[in-house]
Amino acid sequence: DSGVTQTPKHLITATGQRVTLRCSPRSGDLSVYWYQQSLDQGLQFLIQYYNGEERAKGNILERFSAQQFPDLHSELNLSSLELGDSALYFCASSGGGQGPRIGGYTFGSGTRLTVV
Amino acid sequence: AQTVTQSQPEMSVQEAETVTLSCTYDTSENNYYLFWYKQPPSRQMILVIRQEAYKQQNATENRFSVNFQKAAKSFSLKISDSQLGDTAMYFCASYLSGSARQLTFGSGTQLTVLP
Repeated sequence: DSGVTQTPKHLITATGQRVTLRCSPRSGDLSVYWYQQSLDQGLQFLIQYYNGEERAKGNILERFSAQQFPDLHSELNLSSLELGDSALYFCASSGGGQGPRIGGYTFGSGTRLTVV
Repeated sequence: AQTVTQSQPEMSVQEAETVTLSCTYDTSENNYYLFWYKQPPSRQMILVIRQEAYKQQNATENRFSVNFQKAAKSFSLKISDSQLGDTAMYFCASYLSGSARQLTFGSGTQLTVLP
């Protein structure tokens, strides 16, 4: 157990639908990062939150949004889903300050989204 | 912008042998950090080893070591005494200390350890 909890582990939904993926960071970590990993590809950075505020944005579609709540858990909302959105979505967390530079990120086990 | 390139999509190695995975990166920054992550069939992302760019000494973690060539912007991973459990996708990643504070990953190398 890495300490980063992602739910659900698997999700199957139809095109056009909306889903919410949830992430609880490791205790004490203030930063949450979302990554998308499509089949047999690398991890693409979507968005970062730090202590409730958006800190950096990557290749995140307008149909996708995220937020980090006061208790530091984060949710990634995916709407108007398309077949191409099928992927493994990872959440990672890191502490403030030296954390990400020294230890990298701690990853959750991912949510596998299948759009049919 | 930072980019990370892994030019070997797949590699295989016999059990107990040594294998080296290649990674190159591109950054104009002076202060950055490099990582190797392992993703076994379980899909969990596991940190293998890290290197601070300001350190000349190559990082080592048990059977895993890196060859960090800063001038060439090269960061290869050497796995000694390969074990069946080393079979996984390996990702190289870079992290800048400046404003772009997120890990940038390469496309990965699928390593298969053969019995």
